[in-house]
Amino acid sequence: GESVGLHLPTLSVQEGDNSIINCAYSNSASDYFIWYKQESGKGPQFIIDIRSNMDKRQGQRVTVLLNKTVKHLSLQIAATQPGDSAVYFCAENTGGFKTIFGAGTRLFVKA
Amino acid sequence: DVKVTQSSRYLVKRTGEKVFLECVQDMDHENMFWYRQDPGLGLRLIYFSYDVKMKEKGDIPEGYSVSREKKERFSLILESASTNQTSMYLCASSPGTRGSYEQYFGPGTRLTVT
Repeated sequence: GESVGLHLPTLSVQEGDNSIINCAYSNSASDYFIWYKQESGKGPQFIIDIRSNMDKRQGQRVTVLLNKTVKHLSLQIAATQPGDSAVYFCAENTGGFKTIFGAGTRLFVKA
Repeated sequence: DVKVTQSSRYLVKRTGEKVFLECVQDMDHENMFWYRQDPGLGLRLIYFSYDVKMKEKGDIPEGYSVSREKKERFSLILESASTNQTSMYLCASSPGTRGSYEQYFGPGTRLTVT
């Protein structure tokens, strides 16, 4: 069935290191993927998106990689900062109204 | 900036009470959504609306209803609150433009049903 999942529910990194958050999806018809960041006490906030016709997209300190062969999505955060501590969700969309969210990965940044 | 506001940050209700959660967005978005968020389960879609007076069931609509009388406002109603509806409720909106699927979320309402 349709699902979006994460390999690691918790990730702890040292400040200044790079972070990689992984996500697996099962619906090969999904053509749009989004990463959201949710800080404590706030709603999720858009970070970056990627369409299925791309395999890489870069933003400011973030990069999303899409591997359609193995249905895998990753979010890379360069030079992780304490302000990056949050829960990160991947989400997939097949082009309609409905977006399917993963369970989330909590990122801890150690000073 | 897109702003999605929710009427309450915290709410405590008793079992059997009727509960109203209000959401307002100020960006003239066509689509609005209600999710509940529980630890380890991510965001689950309760209902969404793609136009005024239009609504569609999401994955977990049981025990909930919605109302969208105005474009900017989307209400979630718990007809008779139960303890298993204790959760974080998130409202979101998105443009109606095809290909624009980014959702803008409110801060959430943490509902406790005792």
